[in-house]
Amino acid sequence: EVQLVESGGGLIQPGGSLRLSCAASGFTVSSNYMSWVRQAPGKGLEWVSVIYSGGSTYYADSVKGRFTISRDNSKNTLYLQMNSLRAEDTAVYYCARGPTIAGLFDPWGQGTLVTVSS
Amino acid sequence: DIQMTQSPSSLSASVGDRVTITCRASQSISSYLNWYQQKPGKAPKLLIYAASSLQSGVPSRFSGSGSGTDFTLTISSLQPEDFATYYCQQSYSTRFTFGPGTKVDIK
Repeated sequence: EVQLVESGGGLIQPGGSLRLSCAASGFTVSSNYMSWVRQAPGKGLEWVSVIYSGGSTYYADSVKGRFTISRDNSKNTLYLQMNSLRAEDTAVYYCARGPTIAGLFDPWGQGTLVTVSS
Repeated sequence: DIQMTQSPSSLSASVGDRVTITCRASQSISSYLNWYQQKPGKAPKLLIYAASSLQSGVPSRFSGSGSGTDFTLTISSLQPEDFATYYCQQSYSTRFTFGPGTKVDIK
């Protein structure tokens, strides 16, 4: 079964750092494009970052220079290192396989909540 | 960035109703448009990709159409499990953007 399981969320003070993990099963992370998408409380979906199978990475302007996407092929796990966190980064963070050739995201993990507050 | 809008932002409907949701892109995105369903506290679920292709396992009462800038998601006969929020997403640009969502609730 293809599955993604996120972890690492929690309460963090503004300016702090947090690393999210996304463990994959049923497929190989390094052979796929993998993304992080977030959803602020009561709001819509915002694409955050992607890592291509070749290793190239891209970021939304809102997180560029503060967040870093990476993967560990031996652990089949995707990561999101988040530095200089702000209140507006508070959200549920989802990892997702994609975009695929059709540009879709599927499947998604269950999400992990990051709360940035003093 | 390509901006996505959806209408209506919310709607109330009854079981058995035909429901249509519209998504509009700020520029032509060909058929690079996907639809997702999200229920409270759950991750989004892919319904339709490439504007009109039904994802495996998704009931055939869901359909999508459109190209260019205007797209629609149609639920032919609304079922109790379909009450949720629906999002469109463009993949024409690598700055992937989602619409603001349409919440479908019970009348």
